[in-house]
Amino acid sequence: KNEVEQSPQNLTAQEGEFITINCSYSVGISALHWLQQHPGGGIVSLFMLSSGKKKHGRLIATINIQEKHSSLHITASHPRDSAVYICAVCTGNQFYFGTGTSLTVIP
Amino acid sequence: DAGVTQSPTHLIKTRGQQVTLRCSPKSGHDTVSWYQQALGQGPQFIFQYYEEEERQRGNFPDRFSGHQFPNYSSELNVNALLLGDSALYLCASSSGTPGELFFGEGSRLTVL
Repeated sequence: KNEVEQSPQNLTAQEGEFITINCSYSVGISALHWLQQHPGGGIVSLFMLSSGKKKHGRLIATINIQEKHSSLHITASHPRDSAVYICAVCTGNQFYFGTGTSLTVIP
Repeated sequence: DAGVTQSPTHLIKTRGQQVTLRCSPKSGHDTVSWYQQALGQGPQFIFQYYEEEERQRGNFPDRFSGHQFPNYSSELNVNALLLGDSALYLCASSSGTPGELFFGEGSRLTVL
């Protein structure tokens, strides 16, 4: 069993749609990271969360520590949002990564 | 302000050889972590260095070793390369743990 599960695995949306990507984890964490990876490999950190909710532009990330669940929302999606979104958790001893959600936004 | 830089960007080795990958952290960061990402998969945590010591380690064999220098830069060494070691190796730096991760562009290793 993976310590971090993401859903959906693949997602196609029309430009302007509201998008939600989910992450569930099974370990105790000190922080949860949402990462964005474009083709070619470069990874950008979007959010680091330990509680509550954070917003940056059109991106919103929430975390529920009791339910061990986090969501990443993209409002008014745009083709440039097309990328792989990865959820990662930091425990006291390790980092665990989800397998990623591949998002394609169609104009 | 330079971000995280990794070298080399691409390299090809043969089975049994050894490889050293290098990472310079973002200015002001003292913690460096390394990850292996096989094609089509999520990254896997290899280890993390802080104050020149390995602080955390993932589920990787002893063939994978590292080092952190006084200027916080870091090296990842892999001995006795296997075909399965072919992957993108990513370095990330942060200021302490947990801290926001800043990733380099990665070193793509191909083992033939």
